Amino acid sequence: EDQVTQSPEALRLQEGESSSLNCSYTVSGLRGLFWYRQDPGKGPEFLFTLYSAGEEKEKERLKATLTKKESFLHITAPKPEDSATYLCAVQDWIIQGAQKLVFGQGTRLTINP
Amino acid sequence: GAVVSQHPSWVICKSGTSVKIECRSLDFQATTMFWYRQFPKQSLMLMATSNEGSKATYEQGVEKDKFLINHASLTLSTLTVTSAHPEDSSFYICSAALFGLGFTGELFFGEGSRLTVL
Repeated sequence: EDQVTQSPEALRLQEGESSSLNCSYTVSGLRGLFWYRQDPGKGPEFLFTLYSAGEEKEKERLKATLTKKESFLHITAPKPEDSATYLCAVQDWIIQGAQKLVFGQGTRLTINP
Repeated sequence: GAVVSQHPSWVICKSGTSVKIECRSLDFQATTMFWYRQFPKQSLMLMATSNEGSKATYEQGVEKDKFLINHASLTLSTLTVTSAHPEDSSFYICSAALFGLGFTGELFFGEGSRLTVL
């Protein structure tokens, strides 16, 4: 059974204080690992897709990396507007209905001014 | 990115009534849509996969007769919560996969619908 575990559950940072969020996963055959941002009361907003170990993607202050067992979302010099819940999800080649995602529980990130 | 619209964004209903939530892909065709449920401070749990022109595939533990899904066109899927009860109160989110430019894998999500059953 595919599993996704994110840590920490919650993280408070000062504006400008860089850090990383972790996503550990277990999957039969990784088709893709996805990062989403979710604001309160809203649907998730797509950030990145990573397909193979060693891959990295960047968008503004965010950088996502992938190994065979985990992914990191690095946030550099964050701003208060980066406060949100960050969700990690995996797609499995093996299971039926390959498009469906299995989500982690998310990391609630708060950036204090 | 692709736009998925969900309506209504929030609804309050009395126990025993039925509520319909619509999910539309606005600028692309979605042969497959997904319905998720999210409880406060918890992650998204997949309820069912909706395929255009065929019956939905439900995840284990999800009542088919309670949560009716219809995917009548390539741009519209509906979720009807029948005979709603307070325990059905939740945040329901739909998503669709973008295939128009080749399979990219990521899903695009609607804004979600908050259901409160009194």
